[in-house]
Amino acid sequence: EAGVTQSPTHLIKTRGQQVTLRCSPISGHTSVYWYQQALGLGLQFLLWYDEGEERNRGNFPPRFSGRQFPNYSSELNVNALELEDSALYLCASSLAILAGDTGELFFGEGSRLTVL
Amino acid sequence: GESVGLHLPTLSVQEGDNSIINCAYSNSASDYFIWYKQESGKGPQFIIDIRSNMDKRQGQRVTVLLNKTVKHLSLQIAATQPGDSAVYFCAETPRNNNAGNMLTFGGGTRLMVKP
Repeated sequence: EAGVTQSPTHLIKTRGQQVTLRCSPISGHTSVYWYQQALGLGLQFLLWYDEGEERNRGNFPPRFSGRQFPNYSSELNVNALELEDSALYLCASSLAILAGDTGELFFGEGSRLTVL
Repeated sequence: GESVGLHLPTLSVQEGDNSIINCAYSNSASDYFIWYKQESGKGPQFIIDIRSNMDKRQGQRVTVLLNKTVKHLSLQIAATQPGDSAVYFCAETPRNNNAGNMLTFGGGTRLMVKP
């Protein structure tokens, strides 16, 4: 069974540009979570989508946005890129809350964004 | 490979010794706790979890201890091996309708195993 897949794996952008990152969850998982991991820091929660709806968002400006499609895949969009947006962007998926025996999040390998 | 974090606390142990990684959490409403391992250039991988109604859980070579009184979590790795070298994160969640399975992560500890 395929795990969480993310694309692209690496990309380089310049300040002011826009970027779209993509995530495909594990088959059967309806919830998708996005995290930002800047170098030297831990994982910071960005967004949670479930059944196509944004359920919660972390303490990030509105230029960070996303969506979830009917097939449960998701996109993360970042507008007006700034240097400090350089980070590893991780997507994770899980079953719906309280479904199954665990609340484990399954992570992809991430998209490494460098902003110059 | 890429570095996950350059300024993380580091625990250095000899191969074959036991490792203990500690974590303090902040949310007294947290109901579920997980330890993740992140190798360089990769996404976090699940190691072991524990619910708030337990204080200890054992897996293969790993044990998680939970002390809710002082909001402390620890991960014990027995007979540490070079393949255990990675950054370890604790994570917590209240697992309610507002948070879903959203995890709040600790800052991470880098484990280095010396051969």
